[in-house]
Amino acid sequence: ILNVEQSPQSLHVQEGDSTNFTCSFPSSNFYALHWYRWETAKSPEALFVMTLNGDEKKKGRISATLNTKEGYSYLYIKGSQPEDSATYLCAFPYNQGGKLIFGQGTELSVKP
Amino acid sequence: ETGVTQTPRHLVMGMTNKKSLKCEQHLGHNAMYWYKQSAKKPLELMFVYNFKEQTENNSVPSRFSPECPNSSHLFLHLHTLQPEDSALYLCASSQDFQGNQPQHFGDGTRLSIL
Repeated sequence: ILNVEQSPQSLHVQEGDSTNFTCSFPSSNFYALHWYRWETAKSPEALFVMTLNGDEKKKGRISATLNTKEGYSYLYIKGSQPEDSATYLCAFPYNQGGKLIFGQGTELSVKP
Repeated sequence: ETGVTQTPRHLVMGMTNKKSLKCEQHLGHNAMYWYKQSAKKPLELMFVYNFKEQTENNSVPSRFSPECPNSSHLFLHLHTLQPEDSALYLCASSQDFQGNQPQHFGDGTRLSIL
């Protein structure tokens, strides 16, 4: 059974703080790693799909890195804003197909 | 607007009722998914359809019955549900059933079983 772990479970920061959180996944037979942002009362939104070891992707103030050999990915948010408040999910494809195994998520709250 | 529309947004039903959840995607995708999210649990895949064929049934009880009449529409038929089935049900789609493609989600149906 694949296990995808995210930490911390929740995070409270002040506006302007930079923050990061972790996703751990099985390092064997790596294919891809997904990050999603899920705001309350909205649908989960794809941020990144990462496939290469050492890859770094960026979208505005959000960036992600990937280490497939040790089985982790970091998501960074620079200068957090209240609109960044959301649950951030990572997911790992099972057997390279579209069956995604999701982590529990990191719930980020940014206070003005 | 994600291109994936789910109806209804909220549904309250008794254990003996029959109802259906509907999902429609306007993205030209070939794979569609049903997910369940219960309180304090990760998103859990229920069913996958790829080119209208069911490719995954993640040990879901038979009181949940999916239907995919074409690549754009997906239904989840509900019958004699249990209180523990109260959850958020999300539909998603992707270009194909490949693990390196992002999935596009609807807003979900919040289901409450009385």
